[in-house]
Amino acid sequence: DAGVTQSPTHLIKTRGQHVTLRCSPISGHKSVSWYQQVLGQGPQFIFQYYEKEERGRGNFPDRFSARQFPNYSSELNVNALLLGDSALYLCASSLDGPGNEQFFGPGTRLTVL
Amino acid sequence: EDQVTQSPEALRLQEGESSSLNCSYTVSGLRGLFWYRQDPGKGPEFLFTLYSAGEEKEKERLKATLTKKESFLHITAPKPEDSATYLCAGRRSNFGNEKLTFGTGTRLTIIP
Repeated sequence: DAGVTQSPTHLIKTRGQHVTLRCSPISGHKSVSWYQQVLGQGPQFIFQYYEKEERGRGNFPDRFSARQFPNYSSELNVNALLLGDSALYLCASSLDGPGNEQFFGPGTRLTVL
Repeated sequence: EDQVTQSPEALRLQEGESSSLNCSYTVSGLRGLFWYRQDPGKGPEFLFTLYSAGEEKEKERLKATLTKKESFLHITAPKPEDSATYLCAGRRSNFGNEKLTFGTGTRLTIIP
């Protein structure tokens, strides 16, 4: 079975631009979470969606938004990009909301110039 | 605020030299302590979940254990392919907000 897939793999943007990152969960998984990982640090939680509803939000500004579609895929949007948004953005999926492991995709490497 | 601290930050071992990585946590109402392996430029790969103090899980040369305050990842007779960053994470809730709070990781290098 295919794992979590993310697109694009790499992305280069300039300050002030907008970006959309995409994630497809493992087949049958209904929960998707987004994390930001800055070089040398552990992943930081951004959002969690379960059955298309937002279940949790981390300490990120309103420039960050996300949504989950009826097929359980998800998008992460970031507006007004800053240099500090440069990071690896990770998507994780899990089978159901409660008590299941999160499996991560390969990530999208975003560079903001 | 939930906090997870890993030590050491980096560890270099000779092939076959066993050691342990530490993860101490302060996560209110912990509902799972997770270990992941991450290779450079890639997403974390799931290794183990531990739910209660005293629980142990093994996979090949790795064994994870959990106490009420910390978790250990024991590596027995490591090989160069075990070189990676090992991340631990705590989860507060089984349902609702399931965010994982990660440590900064231990970068493990196994020298042939």
